[in-house]
Amino acid sequence: DIQMTQSPSSLSASVGDRVTISCRASQSITKYLNWYQQRPGKAPKLLIYTTSILQSGVPSRFSGSGSGTDFTLTISSLQPEDFATYYCQQSASVSTFGPGTRLEIK
Amino acid sequence: EVQLVESGGGLVQPGGSLRLSCTASGLTLRGYWMQWVRQVPGRGLVWVSRINSDGSTTTYADSVKGRFTISRDNAKNTLYLQMNSLRAEDTAVYYCARGLFTNSTGCIGYWGQGMLVTVSS
Repeated sequence: DIQMTQSPSSLSASVGDRVTISCRASQSITKYLNWYQQRPGKAPKLLIYTTSILQSGVPSRFSGSGSGTDFTLTISSLQPEDFATYYCQQSASVSTFGPGTRLEIK
Repeated sequence: EVQLVESGGGLVQPGGSLRLSCTASGLTLRGYWMQWVRQVPGRGLVWVSRINSDGSTTTYADSVKGRFTISRDNAKNTLYLQMNSLRAEDTAVYYCARGLFTNSTGCIGYWGQGMLVTVSS
């Protein structure tokens, strides 16, 4: 099975900051990496799929990059509504989620 | 309104059974892979199971294999998860999820609101 790790596990940042979250797969998943945002008490929401394609309606301050085993999610200028938990998911093989990165207000 | 609505959760004793249902409104399940994902409150997302568009192919996480059965009724636009021999560690919020693209096992485009299953005596 493909294992996913994320770093950091939590992050404190301020409105307007640029933040980067990393995701690593235990083996190559080529480009099949997706990112989700989850706010407390809510279902996850798809942000980015296939490494870098922005889901419809998602603000352009979100971007994704990477290939093979190493991937990143970048938020260029944090907004108040971005404070949430972010999960990566590989869909190259049977699905696996990363453990999540909690983004908190500094 | 486009939504997936889960039902059938609740409190069950260890060793018991529950069947979750997920009914779609405003969107079709026909042609799409469907999945179940669970989340222990305060913890991360864990993939549980998936089924292809016509129900002929199913896959399970090792932790539920042999105990859970995923199925679907496209005519009723409904997904199911039959959960048997439940354990305390199955306690979680269960989400049903639909792929973003037809006939693709890739990303999840739509999620239900989640249904809490509690396994406790």
